Amino acid sequence: DTGVSQDPRHKITKRGQNVTFRCDPISEHNRLYWYRQTLGQGPEFLTYFQNEAQLEKSRLLSDRFSAERPKGSFSTLEIQRTEQGDSAMYLCASSLDGGTYEQYFGPGTRLTVT
Amino acid sequence: TQLLEQSPQFLSIQEGENLTVYCNSSSVFSSLQWYRQEPGEGPVLLVTVVTGGEVKKLKRLTFQFGDARKDSSLHITAAQPGDTGLYLCAGVWNKIIFGKGTRLHILP
Repeated sequence: DTGVSQDPRHKITKRGQNVTFRCDPISEHNRLYWYRQTLGQGPEFLTYFQNEAQLEKSRLLSDRFSAERPKGSFSTLEIQRTEQGDSAMYLCASSLDGGTYEQYFGPGTRLTVT
Repeated sequence: TQLLEQSPQFLSIQEGENLTVYCNSSSVFSSLQWYRQEPGEGPVLLVTVVTGGEVKKLKRLTFQFGDARKDSSLHITAAQPGDTGLYLCAGVWNKIIFGKGTRLHILP
C-alpha cells in the first residue's frame, strides 16, 4: 500500500473562488479525517468519516466547507467563496475503526488564498 | 473542552545533548499518541501509549504516559540533527485532540 495520498499538494487561488481537495486513504482504513493546520499550530480537527458516513463536524467547519466520502473510499473537501483566512495546510488522515485509532497522515494540501 | 498543552514551544540544543518535552492535560485520555512532523509534510506517528505509567522506547526516544493518563513526556538521548522537527502529542478519547507541538532544532 502506498499510504495516504492527497491532491493537489499546492493550490493558489484568488479570494472568492471555490477549491476542492482530494484524499485517498489507506485502502483497508474505514475512518478518514480532515484537519487544518496553520503556521505554528498543531492540526485542528475539521471532520471525520466512518465509511461513507460523516460522523462529526467541528465548529471550525463553516457552511462554506463541505466534505464528502461517497463510496467510503476517497474523500473530497470543498471550500466555497474562499477567504484569505482559509490559507492553511489541509491534512487528511486515515485509521482503522477501534483500538487506539492510530492515524496515518497524507502529505497535505497547502492552500494559499490571494 | 479537552486541551493538550505542550512545553516548551521551541527548543534549540546542541547535538549530543539530552532533552525532554512534555504534554499535559487536565483530561484523562484512553491513549496518547506522539507524532513528528517535518516542514511541508504530514505528521508521522512515532508511538502510542495506552496504560498509565507505560514506558516505550524507540531507539534514542523514550515515551512515558503518566499514571493518571493525563500527561506524557518524550525524552531524547544524545540528540542528532535528524531529530529536528515538530513533535506533536495527540490525546485520544471519543475524538483525537492535538497539542500545538514542540518545535525542536538540533544544532550540529
